[in-house]
Amino acid sequence: EVQLVESGGGLVQPGGSLRLSCAASGFTFSASWMNWVRQAPGKGLVWVSRIKSDGSRTGYADSVKGRFTVSRDNAKNTLYLQIDSLRAEDSAMYYCTRENRVAADSWGQGTLVTVSS
Amino acid sequence: QSALTQPPSASGSPGQSVTISCTGTSSDVGAYNYVSWYQQHPGQAPKLMIYEVSNRPSGVPDRFSGSKSGNTASLTVSGLQAEDEADYFCYSYAGSDTFVFGTGTKVTVL
Repeated sequence: EVQLVESGGGLVQPGGSLRLSCAASGFTFSASWMNWVRQAPGKGLVWVSRIKSDGSRTGYADSVKGRFTVSRDNAKNTLYLQIDSLRAEDSAMYYCTRENRVAADSWGQGTLVTVSS
Repeated sequence: QSALTQPPSASGSPGQSVTISCTGTSSDVGAYNYVSWYQQHPGQAPKLMIYEVSNRPSGVPDRFSGSKSGNTASLTVSGLQAEDEADYFCYSYAGSDTFVFGTGTKVTVL
């Protein structure tokens, strides 16, 4: 069974940083492209970032480019999202997703990031 | 990277059909057959319902179907059931390792 478990969220002040993690199991992580998706409370889904299976290619939404960095450790079956220069509008549930057939076929339960002073 | 446009709401009685549109551009929906659809119930993570425009993952009822014409994709739910009441989002590859979601549609079963 595919499992994705996010962690690392919390309350942070504007301008601060966080590193989110996503522990993967039940599938060949090193062969899978992965994505991060976020959802502000009561709002829609927003794609954030994508990373190739070997980490050699990445993509970012314009709204996070230059502040967010996606990475992975295939030896640890873990996906990361480094979030810097946090803004209030970054407050959201952050989901880790597995990409299959260019779709997000598996989702974690999310980790909540709240940016507030 | 503008969000794809979906109607905010749609509704139907049990047994009826509802169709949700998802309008993008020639750079995303119109350019690739990589449109997928997600169902999200309150407090839950989204669930994949359709991938590559019209394919259903195993376990998704055949009441759910997808199509695309030009820059607009559509999701049809036939034979509406109470458990189909949820938010639905479309999602498209937009090139250069980027994606875009739709604005979301709340489906109500009357």
